[in-house]
Amino acid sequence: GAGVSQSPSNKVTEKGKDVELRCDPISGHTALYWYRQSLGQGLEFLIYFQGNSAPDKSGLPSDRFSAERTGGSVSTLTIQRTQQEDSAVYLCASSLWELAGGPNEQYFGPGTRLTVT
Amino acid sequence: DAKTTQPNSMESNEEEPVHLPCNHSTISGTDYIHWYRQLPSQGPEYVIHGLTSNVNNRMASLAIAEDRKSSTLILHRATLRDAAVYYCIPYLYNFNKFYFGSGTKLNVKP
Repeated sequence: GAGVSQSPSNKVTEKGKDVELRCDPISGHTALYWYRQSLGQGLEFLIYFQGNSAPDKSGLPSDRFSAERTGGSVSTLTIQRTQQEDSAVYLCASSLWELAGGPNEQYFGPGTRLTVT
Repeated sequence: DAKTTQPNSMESNEEEPVHLPCNHSTISGTDYIHWYRQLPSQGPEYVIHGLTSNVNNRMASLAIAEDRKSSTLILHRATLRDAAVYYCIPYLYNFNKFYFGSGTKLNVKP
C-alpha cells in the first residue's frame, strides 16, 4: 500500500516568506508526527496529532510554527516569516494508536528539504 | 521534568553484541519505551518498543529495568549496517508527551 507522502520534496524560499509543508499519512493511521532535522544534526521532535488534536505543542521552535490536521488525515506544517535557521529537512511520520498504550510503529515519509535564502 | 539521557556515542566490533543504554527517570508503569534508529543519509526507522520486562523482535531486544528507570537496546550480533544513531523515546501516557533522548551514535568496526 501507499506509504507516507510529503510535498513538496524540495522548497526554496526567501527569508521572510511563509511556507506550507504537507503530509499525507498512511490510510487508517490515527497518529501523525512532525520532525525537523538540520544538516548534520539529530532528530528534533516538533508536534504530534492524535486524530485532529495536538496534545503536545511544546516542541514547536517558535510561534512562527504551526500545524493543523483536518479530517484525521492530511496535515500541514506552516512556517511564517521564515528565517535561515529554519532550513532543514522536515519529516512526517504516521502510526496506529493503541488506546491502552499509545503510539505504535511510526512510518516515515521521505521528507521536505526546506532552504531559506 | 522527565528527562531521557543516552551516551553520545558507542563503538562495537562486528559480530559482537551491543548494549545501548538509556536512562529515563520518572516514567510510570503505563509508559512505553520506543527505540528508533537513523542510518547515515537515510530516514529514521522503527526498531522496537515495549512496556515491561524483555521484548524481542527480529531486529533487537529491549530489556527494561525492574524499577523502569532505565532500559537497554540489545543488538545481538552487530553488523556494519547497524552503524546508526539510535534514539530512545519514552512516551509518557498520562502526560501525552514524548521525551526524546539525544541519540547514541553507534560505530561498528569490522
